[in-house]
Amino acid sequence: ETGVTQSPTHLIKTRGQQVTLRCSSQSGHNTVSWYQQALGQGPQFIFQYYREEENGRGNFPPRFSGLQFPNYSSELNVNALELDDSALYLCASSFGTSGFLTDTQYFGPGTRLTVL
Amino acid sequence: AQSVTQLGSHVSVSEGALVLLRCNYSSSVPPYLFWYVQYPNQGLQLLLKYTTGATLVKGINGFEAEFKKSETSFHLTKPSAHMSDAAEYFCAVTLSSNTGKLIFGQGTTLQVKP
Repeated sequence: ETGVTQSPTHLIKTRGQQVTLRCSSQSGHNTVSWYQQALGQGPQFIFQYYREEENGRGNFPPRFSGLQFPNYSSELNVNALELDDSALYLCASSFGTSGFLTDTQYFGPGTRLTVL
Repeated sequence: AQSVTQLGSHVSVSEGALVLLRCNYSSSVPPYLFWYVQYPNQGLQLLLKYTTGATLVKGINGFEAEFKKSETSFHLTKPSAHMSDAAEYFCAVTLSSNTGKLIFGQGTTLQVKP
């Protein structure tokens, strides 16, 4: 069983640029959630996709957007990068059931984004 | 609004000693509670979770946690620490019936001394 993978591992961008981060879900999972983890903090929920539709969003501006593809891989796009966007970005996949509350989320290793 | 507080950003124990990592939550409705561990340069791994039923939950690697509604707590324990337990530990809660989004605490770094 293949786990959750993310690419790239590290990324350096400058302020104002755009970035795309990618996530490949664990086999059989139809739900993906993205989290931002600033240095020394716990992860913060950005949004979730279930069967290619956005299924909830945290307190992040619209310049954070996402996609989920038919094979359930996913992208996180961030436009107009700001210095505060520097963080570890984690994706987590799960098999969404009627009870999202208790679905175990399996996390990837993350993408470390540095904005200069 | 729900929140999670982890008391102590750093905890240091000797190898073989009891591990106790504290987590308190605030919620107006019954929560679902999770503990995750994060090793350096890795993603988060689920240690255990409480949904319903037995309030004492056993997880992987010898960890367990007890849900105490009266104290709004979900502390993580392990009877005997191993060097390999050194990592960052996160308590999380979820209440959303739509997404199951996890709300995390700030994390506790566990140091294990030989």
